[in-house]
Amino acid sequence: GDSVTQMEGPVTLSEEAFLTINCTYTATGYPSLFWYVQYPGEGLQLLLKATKADDKGSNKGFEATYRKETTSFHLEKGSVQVSDSAVYFCALSDSNSGYALNFGKGTSLLVTP
Amino acid sequence: DTGVSQNPRHKITKRGQNVTFRCDPISEHNRLYWYRQTLGQGPEFLTYFQNEAQLEKSRLLSDRFSAERPKGSFSTLEIQRTEQGDSAMYLCASSLVPWELFFGEGSRLTVL
Repeated sequence: GDSVTQMEGPVTLSEEAFLTINCTYTATGYPSLFWYVQYPGEGLQLLLKATKADDKGSNKGFEATYRKETTSFHLEKGSVQVSDSAVYFCALSDSNSGYALNFGKGTSLLVTP
Repeated sequence: DTGVSQNPRHKITKRGQNVTFRCDPISEHNRLYWYRQTLGQGPEFLTYFQNEAQLEKSRLLSDRFSAERPKGSFSTLEIQRTEQGDSAMYLCASSLVPWELFFGEGSRLTVL
């Protein structure tokens, strides 16, 4: 079935460092791709999305580009802050379902001052 | 601003007992989802409602699980004859736009 694989954490970075969290996908159709974030003590929330190849999603300084040729949707941020410490989940819309999102296992990010 | 509310936040029960979780979505959202998350894993889709209609159920949702959304507002997820393997965080989410989900903080189930 459709699935995503994301890099394992935890990832520890110093403030202002560059962030990349890798995500690759396997899908039979043309899924939409998402990054969700879960801050400590809060529910998951949508960070950004891309609905077709070459689309770039962006929000709060984070970016991810839908790369069909490499089946990837890597999350990047040029300069992380302590407040970015959270768990990041890559997800795709399941082509076998009109409604389900399939999530990766999550990558924990800790940013230190 | 009222987000998605889930109750109870934590439930400890003995194997074989029934449990029920409640989800109150964001009021204007007609789409409601239940997911399950275990430690170290991402959320797994269980079921989807559009208004009061349950339009999809995952294979993960065994016969012991039932979900309802009467009148298209709040939803309940009931697990009958709980098993230790049911221990997990049960997440509810709602949305207006497909796949742009707003999640609650979850209801953690521990089955002893």
